[in-house]
Amino acid sequence: QKEVEQDPGPLSVPEGAIVSLNCTYSNSAFQYFMWYRQYSRKGPELLMYTYSSGNKEDGRFTAQVDKSSKYISLFIRDSQPSDSATYLCARDNSGGSNYKLTFGKGTLLTVNP
Amino acid sequence: KAGVTQTPRYLIKTRGQQVTLSCSPISGHRSVSWYQQTPGQGLQFLFEYFSETQRNKGNFPGRFSGRQFSNSRSEMNVSTLELGDSALYLCASSLGQEAQLFFGSGTQLSVL
Repeated sequence: QKEVEQDPGPLSVPEGAIVSLNCTYSNSAFQYFMWYRQYSRKGPELLMYTYSSGNKEDGRFTAQVDKSSKYISLFIRDSQPSDSATYLCARDNSGGSNYKLTFGKGTLLTVNP
Repeated sequence: KAGVTQTPRYLIKTRGQQVTLSCSPISGHRSVSWYQQTPGQGLQFLFEYFSETQRNKGNFPGRFSGRQFSNSRSEMNVSTLELGDSALYLCASSLGQEAQLFFGSGTQLSVL
């Protein structure tokens, strides 16, 4: 089983919709989770970073970690066409080092005007 | 402040050849990591360098190698190219091991 599994999508939503992106992970020792956004022909950029469990909010984006079910989610409120990108979940090792991130395969999101 | 710069952006090679990719990290960043991205496998960690030393290595064959120079610039080399090496190769830099990674736009390698 891959360490981080991600819904492959693709996902297409109308502008203004609430988007839910999800990943599951296999090792309950994982502590640090991240969401990256990758635009076409660009490298990934860090969007959200969470530690352990709970919610973290940043503007229209909310990252949620449920350790009991080993589930991580990213919610996008009032989605915009500029949110169209591939979203990648990731975890690093339990020590917090980021040198060896393990990524999900990514979900391609398209927000239609 | 300039971001992570990778050259070239695109490369076309044939099987059996070798290739060298270059990465210039953000000024002041001493850690450079390399990742391979393919549609089938997603993003996979290749290796990480810090102060000219390879600190960590992913599960790739010995055909994949890298190095880092005293100015923190890094190169990765792939020898005896195979069709399956076709991928987007991404370089990321950070201030240190626990700092945020900043990715370049990658080098798209096509092996024919």
